[in-house]
Amino acid sequence: ILNVEQSPQSLHVQEGDSTNFTCSFPSSNFYALHWYRWETAKSPEALFVMTLNGDEKKKGRISATLNTKEGYSYLYIKGSQPEDSATYLCAFFYNQGGKLIFGQGTELSVKP
Amino acid sequence: DGGITQSPKYLFRKEGQNVTLSCEQNLNHDAMYWYRQDPGQGLRLIYYSQIVNDFQKGDIAEGYSVSREKKESFPLTVTSAQKNPTAFYLCASSITAGEFESYEQYFGPGTRLTVT
Repeated sequence: ILNVEQSPQSLHVQEGDSTNFTCSFPSSNFYALHWYRWETAKSPEALFVMTLNGDEKKKGRISATLNTKEGYSYLYIKGSQPEDSATYLCAFFYNQGGKLIFGQGTELSVKP
Repeated sequence: DGGITQSPKYLFRKEGQNVTLSCEQNLNHDAMYWYRQDPGQGLRLIYYSQIVNDFQKGDIAEGYSVSREKKESFPLTVTSAQKNPTAFYLCASSITAGEFESYEQYFGPGTRLTVT
């Protein structure tokens, strides 16, 4: 059974703090790793799709890194703002799978 | 505006009744997906379709059925055989899908189904 683990489950930070969370996935048969942001009362939105070991992607204050050999990805948020409050989902796509396996998410709350 | 619509937002049914959740997209995407979310769990795949008139079971297909007669539509029926149907259901689409293709997915707003 393929399993994707995210940690921590929830995180509470102050505005301006930088934060990061982890997504762990099987290192074998890796094809791609997705990150999504899911704000309350909205639909999940894609942040990044990463495929190469050592890949780093950035969108504004949010960035992500990927280590396919050891099976983890980090998501960083620099200078968190209240509008960053959301659940962040990662999802693993494996060779010959044709589908995504989602982690349970990290719920981020940023207090002004 | 391009996007995915799901209706209704909230749905209430009596136990033993089948119910169909609607999902429509105007993104011209080939692939569509249905996920279920339960508290404390990640999104779990129910069914997916890579092309019109074809679909595959996901990880938790038992008690559900789908059809893909049109590219833009992928309705999900929750049958009375589904033992625990109360959940939040999300529909998604992507440009295409295959064993070696992974593109970002676009999600609808979801339908919360309550069965009593």
